[in-house]
Amino acid sequence: KQEVTQIPAALSVPEGENLVLNCSFTDSAIYNLQWFRQDPGKGLTSLLLIQSSQREQTSGRLNASLDKSSGRSTLYIAASQPGDSATYLCAVRSYGGATNKLIFGTGTLLAVQP
Amino acid sequence: DVKVTQSSRYLVKRTGEKVFLECVQDMDHENMFWYRQDPGLGLRLIYFSYDVKMKEKGDIPEGYSVSREKKERFSLILESASTNQTSMYLCASRMGQGLGEQYFGPGTRLTVT
Repeated sequence: KQEVTQIPAALSVPEGENLVLNCSFTDSAIYNLQWFRQDPGKGLTSLLLIQSSQREQTSGRLNASLDKSSGRSTLYIAASQPGDSATYLCAVRSYGGATNKLIFGTGTLLAVQP
Repeated sequence: DVKVTQSSRYLVKRTGEKVFLECVQDMDHENMFWYRQDPGLGLRLIYFSYDVKMKEKGDIPEGYSVSREKKERFSLILESASTNQTSMYLCASRMGQGLGEQYFGPGTRLTVT
């Protein structure tokens, strides 16, 4: 059974710092991995999608990498800003079983201090 | 841009009421999903639908039903609301067959008193 873990659960950094959020999964048989951002009381906003055949994806100051064999993904945020403060969730879509399902991690709560 | 909209941002209902949560997407996606999100439990899948009139149970379907009469609309129904169904409800959609992104609506915060 696929399990997704995100460490740390919470992170506080000063503005301008580069930071890395981690996501690990137990079963490497995945179709893709998606990173989301969630602001308090709001829905999820899709940030990046990495297919299993890809190593990384970039969007602006965000870069997500995927190492399927080790069951890990990282989300790199460059030059962090207070507006980046949110909860970041990763989710994987696995082979087999209900392939329509995304399995979510429990998230990393990021606070960027001005 | 994909748009997923939900009928209400906040809803307060009484125990025993029948509750309808509506979700509409404008990108002709085959797959639609309903989740609930609770502190410490993360996102849990209630039901999903991969086509009109087609549905499958997710991880926590008890106490809920769904309806998908049109491709763009997916409704979540609480037949008799209970206080333990107080939660944030999130709808999502994704293109079928392909391996595309899943898009979420803004959420409905439901309180059952």
